[in-house]
Amino acid sequence: EDQVTQSPEALRLQEGESSSLNCSYTVSGLRGLFWYRQDPGKGPEFLFTLYSAGEEKEKERLKATLTKKESFLHITAPKPEDSATYLCAVQALGNQGGKLIFGQGTELSVKP
Amino acid sequence: GAVVSQHPSRVICKSGTSVKIECRSLDFQATTMFWYRQFPKQSLMLMATSNEGSKATYEQGVEKDKFLINHASLTLSTLTVTSAHPEDSSFYICSAITGLNTEAFFGQGTRLTVV
Repeated sequence: EDQVTQSPEALRLQEGESSSLNCSYTVSGLRGLFWYRQDPGKGPEFLFTLYSAGEEKEKERLKATLTKKESFLHITAPKPEDSATYLCAVQALGNQGGKLIFGQGTELSVKP
Repeated sequence: GAVVSQHPSRVICKSGTSVKIECRSLDFQATTMFWYRQFPKQSLMLMATSNEGSKATYEQGVEKDKFLINHASLTLSTLTVTSAHPEDSSFYICSAITGLNTEAFFGQGTRLTVV
């Protein structure tokens, strides 16, 4: 069964304290891995898509990496405005119609 | 990124009534739209997948007669919660894609409260 597990569930950082969020996945074949940011009471906002092991993408203080079993979202020198829930999702090769399988998310809190 | 608009953002309705939620792709044609439900502090649970002009595909355990989905055009899908009950209160979110190998863009969500 295709599955996505994110850790930690919650992460508290001081402003400027870099860290990483983990997304472990089990799929029959990976079509793509997606990272989203979700603010309270809002829909998820697209951040990155990764398609193959070794791929990396960056956007401001965020960098996403991918291996055959997991993905990391590295946050460098975070600011309070980076506080949000970060969701990881995978799209399996075998599924029809582009369904995403989501992890439970990591709730990030950055204190000034 | 592409814009998906969901309306209304909040709605309160009485038990037994029906509520319609709209999801529109504003600047692209969506081949497929998805409807999710999200409980507090939990991740997104896929309810159904809809393609323009065809019947929606519902996930296991989701009542198709209670959650009616219509995808009348490449830019509009609607979710109607029929005969709503308090347990239907939740955050409903739609997303849209332009093709299988593209990222999904999400609407801002609808907070439904059934009283």
